[in-house]
Amino acid sequence: AAGVIQSPRHLIKEKRETATLKCYPIPRHDTVYWYQQGPGQDPQFLISFYEKMQSDKGSIPDRFSAQQFSDYHSELNMSSLELGDSALYFCASSLWGLAGAGPDTQYFGPGTRLTVL
Amino acid sequence: QKEVEQNSGPLSVPEGAIASLNCTYSDRGSQSFFWYRQYSGKSPELIMFIYSNGDKEDGRFTAQLNKASQYVSLLIRDSQPSDSATYLCALGNDMRFGAGTRLTVKP
Repeated sequence: AAGVIQSPRHLIKEKRETATLKCYPIPRHDTVYWYQQGPGQDPQFLISFYEKMQSDKGSIPDRFSAQQFSDYHSELNMSSLELGDSALYFCASSLWGLAGAGPDTQYFGPGTRLTVL
Repeated sequence: QKEVEQNSGPLSVPEGAIASLNCTYSDRGSQSFFWYRQYSGKSPELIMFIYSNGDKEDGRFTAQLNKASQYVSLLIRDSQPSDSATYLCALGNDMRFGAGTRLTVKP
């Protein structure tokens, strides 16, 4: 079965540079979530989109922005990168209220490992 | 205090034993609860979800939810070395995660 696709899988940037992470949800999923997971930390929710509209906002820095496009893929744009932005960035997708699979069950992509030097 | 608290690890059990993972939460309005397994450097993988009080069984895994006491637990029967991972409890649509409990199953 198709899973969530994230690209790139690894990314190395310098401080103050910008980065764009991409997420392609499971086909027919209409909701996308972004998480940041630092070393030894639990995933921190950043932001989510439902039907191309922002649906919830977590601890996303103002330097970051995200959007969901008409084909439901999403991009996380990160500017003025800082050393502390080095982390795994996960995207997850779900089909809102999909019966049988459970309430808003999220399926995670493999993640993008961002290293800021 | 975090919204979601998990029993501090690491937890070590012998192969074949029952591993018990616990999670308490503060938001009484939470309706959905999830257990994810995460291997080091990998993405979280859904094990089970539960949203009704009581037990839910799936193979060797049993999730238990008690909304009155605000806890949800995961039991792993006949633990295998391949179960060694970090187990994350998560709540709600915005997936508030606990800090995770690292489980090691020793052969």
